[in-house]
Amino acid sequence: QSVLTQPPSVSAAPGQKVTISCFGSSSNIGINSVSWYQQVPGRAPKFLIYDNNKRPSGIPDRFSASKSGTSATLGITGLQTGDEADYYCGTWDSSLNAGVFGGGTKLTVL
Amino acid sequence: QVTLRESGPALLTPTQTLTLTCTFSGFSLTTSGMSVSWIRQPPGKALEWLARINWDDDKYYNTSLETRLTISKDTSKNQVVLTLTNMDPVDTATYYCARVGHPAYYYYDYWGQGTLVTVSS
Repeated sequence: QSVLTQPPSVSAAPGQKVTISCFGSSSNIGINSVSWYQQVPGRAPKFLIYDNNKRPSGIPDRFSASKSGTSATLGITGLQTGDEADYYCGTWDSSLNAGVFGGGTKLTVL
Repeated sequence: QVTLRESGPALLTPTQTLTLTCTFSGFSLTTSGMSVSWIRQPPGKALEWLARINWDDDKYYNTSLETRLTISKDTSKNQVVLTLTNMDPVDTATYYCARVGHPAYYYYDYWGQGTLVTVSS
């Protein structure tokens, strides 16, 4: 059971937009910044978003994110088949004094 | 550029101790603010954070595994070592090491390729 809660799966058609939610609590998302990762099966996770809404260099602006209270959201616009992957949110939990991740969301581009 | 690479045994029998080494380049764990974490992923399951070691040797552990985990660093070799005692088949997973990109923002900007560890009798 992951500390952060994500929907198991989302889907949308190519070219459309999708959002992935990440729910936490006052000891993690509520007070610490959120990051997001993309993982294609068989590969290591890829760094997508940091500090709630910032993109590292090389990540297209089709990927965006936000945080409000104890939840965070990743948005992907102009969906491409290459976006099919598992997406994870992560942060620090100040009560556990440990890193935490969501359970992951599988994105299917229909 | 920053790279990390995990190494260790691919197969263990139950009760054995796992020792994994993360060898990195492109940064130093003697630099203020730098940290390295270990994260694992059982087959078909989610990422699970295991441990973190800071440049100042502060260490943090997954509370569920804390009694079995030890993280250490060898700054002269640019290595971080993770040990997990009393291995069980449920510990079968791909183990990743990752650099923590910023001490206050807790994100992992560079990851190793991962190493699959199987526990089986």
